[in-house]
Amino acid sequence: RKEVEQDPGPFNVPEGATVAFNCTYSNSASQSFFWYRQDCRKEPKLLMSVYSSGNEDGRFTAQLNRASQYISLLIRDSKLSDSATYLCVALDNAGNMLTFGGGTRLMVKP
Amino acid sequence: GAVVSQHPSWVICKSGTSVKIECRSLDFQATTMFWYRQFPKQSLMLMATSNEGSKATYEQGVEKDKFLINHASLTLSTLTVTSAHPEDSSFYICSARRGDLHMQYFGPGTRLTVT
Repeated sequence: RKEVEQDPGPFNVPEGATVAFNCTYSNSASQSFFWYRQDCRKEPKLLMSVYSSGNEDGRFTAQLNRASQYISLLIRDSKLSDSATYLCVALDNAGNMLTFGGGTRLMVKP
Repeated sequence: GAVVSQHPSWVICKSGTSVKIECRSLDFQATTMFWYRQFPKQSLMLMATSNEGSKATYEQGVEKDKFLINHASLTLSTLTVTSAHPEDSSFYICSARRGDLHMQYFGPGTRLTVT
């Protein structure tokens, strides 16, 4: 079983739609979680950190449920420019190692 | 913001040759750098963790004699793919961690094609 699992997609949505991605992790000792965005042939870029209390950054909302070992990302009012692969990432409890999920591909269509 | 560069950004080499990839932290000192590999349609897989002035720690399944890592200064780590084969063709990405902060800053990646 992979340490961080995501639905690979692709999610094909029209502009303006709301889309949600889910992620589960197996290491209960993981300390911190993040969502990264990766465009084709580019390096991953940090989108946002994920907190148990939930956090919002504009159209993006992230949520962590430690009891269920589940992380989510909600994107409202999708834009064409949101098309990318979204990576769910866990940081180990030593704060050293990032473990990446397989990524979920989003395609926003006009 | 923290900037990490990689050089070269892409390279094509013949099977059996060696290729060196550089990772530099441009505006901060990185005590730890990480090397990842990403095959098409797959996620990033950590290859090794490189600490300045000490030997790199390799992940399971990564051959240390094939992927030589040197972290000689606080701003530079190098990955040398020795005797490259076509199956080594991949996207190699480094990241650098600043001090004792957990955040990792990623380089733009190096696309290696071995013919």
